[in-house]
Amino acid sequence: QQQVKQSPQSLIVQKGGISIINCAYENTAFDYFPWYQQFPGKGPALLIAIRPDVSEKKEGRFTISFNKSAKQFSLHIMDSQPGDSATYFCAASVETGAGSYQLTFGKGTKLSVIP
Amino acid sequence: NAGVTQTPKFQVLKTGQSMTLQCAQDMNHEYMSWYRQDPGMGLRLIHYSVGAGITDQGEVPNGYNVSRSTTEDFPLRLLSAAPSQTSVYFCASSSVRAKRGRTDTQYFGPGTRLTVL
Repeated sequence: QQQVKQSPQSLIVQKGGISIINCAYENTAFDYFPWYQQFPGKGPALLIAIRPDVSEKKEGRFTISFNKSAKQFSLHIMDSQPGDSATYFCAASVETGAGSYQLTFGKGTKLSVIP
Repeated sequence: NAGVTQTPKFQVLKTGQSMTLQCAQDMNHEYMSWYRQDPGMGLRLIHYSVGAGITDQGEVPNGYNVSRSTTEDFPLRLLSAAPSQTSVYFCASSSVRAKRGRTDTQYFGPGTRLTVL
């Protein structure tokens, strides 16, 4: 059962354009929504994250939009650059006990930014 | 500060062989976890731990064992490798959820690429 659905699988964007990746979830117990960026041959690294009591969070060129009622959230990359070419994963976190939690990842979006 | 380290980087096993993937972190993080990454499948949680002596199962625990004897180390054991365990394995660590405002930021290692023939 896939609890976090991510789309599209792949995305090609011109340099300077806007990249948009969407995610949807079912479990209303999720309470933290991070995005991870992964370059080939490397481990994922946290890019930006949001809590469900906030509708938008911006850090530089990266913005998360969150719609709690629709159970959807998305990543927007403004002024996309070739260096942004990577695989992006959305994730959702749920508490599983005292101090404990589990992250569930989407299947990933491979972004290619062409000059 | 090395962060999260994993060894080996690459490993080839024959079906039925056993091996241990090593993971260590020097950030004094209580929470450690193992994921496997397969093409088109994202990262799936295998096992996790919130401290020495405490482990729990994730989404895909079958065929894998873990133990946590120290804060720093969290090895993953394959007792009898199967071709279905061919994957890239990532170890990650973070602070536990101590209070409201925690970030659940996980720091990932560089991964171990495992092939089971």
